[in-house]
Amino acid sequence: GEDVEQSLFLSVREGDSSVINCTYTDSSSTYLYWYKQEPGAGLQLLTYIFSNMDMKQDQRLTVLLNKKDKHLSLRIADTQTGDSAIYFCAESAAGGSYIPTFGRGTSLIVHP
Amino acid sequence: DAGVIQSPRHEVTEMGQEVTLRCKPISGHDYLFWYRQTMMRGLELLIYFNNNVPIDDSGMPEDRFSAKMPNASFSTLKIQPSEPRDSAVYFCASSGTGVGYTFGSGTRLTVV
Repeated sequence: GEDVEQSLFLSVREGDSSVINCTYTDSSSTYLYWYKQEPGAGLQLLTYIFSNMDMKQDQRLTVLLNKKDKHLSLRIADTQTGDSAIYFCAESAAGGSYIPTFGRGTSLIVHP
Repeated sequence: DAGVIQSPRHEVTEMGQEVTLRCKPISGHDYLFWYRQTMMRGLELLIYFNNNVPIDDSGMPEDRFSAKMPNASFSTLKIQPSEPRDSAVYFCASSGTGVGYTFGSGTRLTVV
């Protein structure tokens, strides 16, 4: 079945760039997502990319997709303490109700 | 819109008691999802509805779990009887024609 893998933790210094990586196995993935979960809150859709794209930029966020290697990354420029959260990678195939498969999440810790 | 609203935010109950979690999706969203989040298992999809009809309940762990959606603006997830291993954060999410889900803030359930 589909599988989405992420590293569990990432620690960065405030002001540095963060890169969170994700790999997936479903070659029919059409949408790839990044969700952010702050403490005590639900998941919030941060950004997404269609599988026919290889890059998407939105302010401090850059999403890179290597479809051949089934690798997705999220780069956060100038990381701030407010970026500390759990980041979930997810993918969904085309058709149906686009039910995504979520990774286990990467805890981003930003220290001064 | 106030987003997806879940209640209660926290629930502490004794083993064997019935627990009912509630969710109000975003108006106009025709999909509703119930997820469970634990440290051990990550985010698990329990059941989802389309236009108030349950589509896939294969993620419901046992017969002790049941979910209903009597109308487009309300859903419940019931656990009867509850057990300590049911302790988790339960999320409701809804989606419409757009990409991605909107999650509620979750209900943290503790069964003692």
